[in-house]
Amino acid sequence: DAGVIQSPRHEVTEMGQEVTLRCKPISGHDYLFWYRQTMMRGLELLIYFNNNVPIDDSGMPEDRFSAKMPNASFSTLKIQPSEPRDSAVYFCASSTDRVGYGYTFGSGTRLTVV
Amino acid sequence: RKEVEQDPGPFNVPEGATVAFNCTYSNSASQSFFWYRQDCRKEPKLLMSVYSSGNEDGRFTAQLNRASQYISLLIRDSKLSDSATYLCVVNLIVGNQFYFGTGTSLTVIP
Repeated sequence: DAGVIQSPRHEVTEMGQEVTLRCKPISGHDYLFWYRQTMMRGLELLIYFNNNVPIDDSGMPEDRFSAKMPNASFSTLKIQPSEPRDSAVYFCASSTDRVGYGYTFGSGTRLTVV
Repeated sequence: RKEVEQDPGPFNVPEGATVAFNCTYSNSASQSFFWYRQDCRKEPKLLMSVYSSGNEDGRFTAQLNRASQYISLLIRDSKLSDSATYLCVVNLIVGNQFYFGTGTSLTVIP
């Protein structure tokens, strides 16, 4: 199994530009999560999906952020327009619905907005 | 109040030392507990689950105290390769949502 695959690994963009982060979860995993990690705030849950349906998006900072999961093998997180304070590492993780199984994380996307 | 709280450290210990981290959680309905390890500029990876009776994996021992709502991780005979950030994670009954602590930084010194 290739694990959770995220792209791109690094993204540098100018303020005001649209940014799209991509994630392919592990096949068979029912849950997909988007997290953001910064030194100041640690890992913050942005949104999670169960069977491709968004369940909780209360962690999405504001309307500039949106996430979709059109099918079981693909999800996107979009920021439009981007701002310097969005600079962080964005992780995607997936898991099964078996309690106690834990997460598998992707390698993350390091986003820098200048 | 945060769902999960950890001492951020840093903990700097010599090789061969024993070190322990604690983590407290606020919701008594928490169902599952884990320790994750995160190396610098890498993703978090599952280190071990934490069971009610306590469990051991080599040099690592995890304990759960439901009454006091804390979990602990003990590392014996520390190795240089143990240097990392250790994240405490709890899972509530509702959904499959995990709450992460901010992590405890460990550096093992030669």
